[in-house]
Amino acid sequence: GAGVSQSPSNKVTEKGKDVELRCDPISGHTALYWYRQSLGQGLEFLIYFQGNSAPDKSGLPSDRFSAERTGGSVSTLTIQRTQQEDSAVYLCASSFPGTDNEQFFGPGTRLTVL
Amino acid sequence: AQSVTQPDIHITVSEGASLELRCNYSYGATPYLFWYVQSPGQGLQLLLKYFSGDTLVQGIKGFEAEFKRSQSSFNLRKPSVHWSDAAEYFCAVGVNSWGKLQFGAGTQVVVTP
Repeated sequence: GAGVSQSPSNKVTEKGKDVELRCDPISGHTALYWYRQSLGQGLEFLIYFQGNSAPDKSGLPSDRFSAERTGGSVSTLTIQRTQQEDSAVYLCASSFPGTDNEQFFGPGTRLTVL
Repeated sequence: AQSVTQPDIHITVSEGASLELRCNYSYGATPYLFWYVQSPGQGLQLLLKYFSGDTLVQGIKGFEAEFKRSQSSFNLRKPSVHWSDAAEYFCAVGVNSWGKLQFGAGTQVVVTP
């Protein structure tokens, strides 16, 4: 497909487990963003990649959260030792770099931590 | 600090009636402003954006928005809503040069027959 894809679409895990969320951006988009959407906090920026580097990680809520991007394409967001407050929808977006370029969002991964 | 406020959490509108969603921002420089729509179970879709120039911008699905610098507002409008417009709408500000977005809390729109 031509859009941003994310997997899995839903993930249920137990508190304390690690999870990996995957994002496949649109081909050719060098910029990639992760956002989190939760009931209490709304839509929050997590991290920005330009190519394989992450010049802005300011939104990652704790050191349990990390992300990487390989080959300038696929990105993985990893949450270690999940907590109930990590339950949210994690959205990935990609674009050409710059504020004036539209960010295309994936459908998200709904994470539920029991 | 930058902020985006959507004063209305929930709006109910009749099909065929007009719709206006409010957005106020606080930002030091000329803002890059966006409206996104999120249908149930879907990702966000860009409706329209404002960077400069004409303060009335047209978007997809018959939506338009007007930038008013004096009021720090970027309200979204549609003259006649359709049942398919039921969704959550988010106003956002681009807060730096590489595209980081700060979102408002969203407005849930319900369309009644």
